[in-house]
Amino acid sequence: NAGVTQTPKFQVLKTGQSMTLQCAQDMNHNSMYWYRQDPGMGLRLIYYSASEGTTDKGEVPNGYNVSRLNKREFSLRLESAAPSQTSVYFCASSEWNEETQYFGPGTRLLVL
Amino acid sequence: AQSVSQHNHHVILSEAASLELGCNYSYGGTVNLFWYVQYPGQHLQLLLKYFSGDPLVKGIKGFEAEFIKSKFSFNLRKPSVQWSDTAEYFCAVATSGTYKYIFGTGTRLKVLA
Repeated sequence: NAGVTQTPKFQVLKTGQSMTLQCAQDMNHNSMYWYRQDPGMGLRLIYYSASEGTTDKGEVPNGYNVSRLNKREFSLRLESAAPSQTSVYFCASSEWNEETQYFGPGTRLLVL
Repeated sequence: AQSVSQHNHHVILSEAASLELGCNYSYGGTVNLFWYVQYPGQHLQLLLKYFSGDPLVKGIKGFEAEFIKSKFSFNLRKPSVQWSDTAEYFCAVATSGTYKYIFGTGTRLKVLA
């Protein structure tokens, strides 16, 4: 039981490049989330998926897109990376929304 | 707008000292409350949670928190901290019936051996 897994662990991009962050969970959870963590700002919700087949914007969605590929997988895409997107990205899942969230190990992204 | 405030950004304590970290939220409806901990280099994990019932909840590693509805607070406490408690602590609030799950900005705790 791996819990929540994320790939890659670390990535360096140049401004304007695109990339997709992958997230998968094996706990049969319905809800999944993408956060970014920046110093002094806590965790900010980028997008969430309350259940398979649905996605919604969180607090800071600009510059990102998501895909809930199936119940297990929820990917985050940066179409044209900007230095302001340098951050640590965490994926999380919960059985349903409002419940305890289980976090992945994070992806550290540096945009030059 | 709903918000979560953690007033202490950095706390430094000696081992065996008592700990209390403040958390206040702004939302008038039903809430689920959480404290998460992030040890250095690791991901967030649940410390304790409150959904309903006894407002004093106990979590892992000797932590507890008290929900005071009238004060919109959910403060975290530990009677005697250890060096291994050095971590960042996040309060989070999920508002019932919506999809709002809001984290505070975190409190960095450093425990001196």
